[in-house]
Amino acid sequence: KAGVTQTPRYLIKTRGQQVTLSCSPISGHRSVSWYQQTPGQGLQFLFEYFSETQRNKGNFPGRFSGRQFSNSRSEMNVSTLELGDSALYLCASSLAFSSGGALPNTGELFFGEGSRLTVL
Amino acid sequence: GQQLNQSPQSMFIQEGEDVSMNCTSSSIFNTWLWYKQDPGEGPVLLIALYKAGELTSNGRLTAQFGITRKDSFLNISASIPSDVGIYFCAGRNSNSGYALNFGKGTSLLVTP
Repeated sequence: KAGVTQTPRYLIKTRGQQVTLSCSPISGHRSVSWYQQTPGQGLQFLFEYFSETQRNKGNFPGRFSGRQFSNSRSEMNVSTLELGDSALYLCASSLAFSSGGALPNTGELFFGEGSRLTVL
Repeated sequence: GQQLNQSPQSMFIQEGEDVSMNCTSSSIFNTWLWYKQDPGEGPVLLIALYKAGELTSNGRLTAQFGITRKDSFLNISASIPSDVGIYFCAGRNSNSGYALNFGKGTSLLVTP
């Protein structure tokens, strides 16, 4: 079974530009989450999608946005890039998390290799 | 997010030694996960814990979900050079919704 696939692996942008990152989850996984990883802040949660709906959002400015398609693939977008946006952006997929009701006590997240963004 | 305190920050050990690292939280968690990350790669899931007191092994790795639900530890026995990497704990509770809260990581170096 193929793992989580993220594209592109590496990219360089300049301040003020925007970027779109793509994530294909493990087949059958319907939940996709995005995390930002930096040396200073570590791994920080951006947002989570299930069935094309954003269910959870981290503490990031509105420049960070995302979406999920009907095939569970997801994209995230960062507009008006700043130097501090340089980071490894990780996508993770999960099998669990049916919508509604109590949070199920399952839901292991499987991560992709990440997209390394450098903002100059 | 909720803060997880992971220690030690780094470890430098000899091949064959056992390793122990832990994570504590000010909040109660209902899930603890342990990941390993190699340079340039994404985190790889090692062990998942879902019940207080649960002790789970994966080869030479053993992890426990603390009774208070505010801590977890990971042990690696008889370390080998390929154990080198950064180990992260992660926890989830109803307050965090579907988000994982991560520790800052323990960097492990193993010398032959």
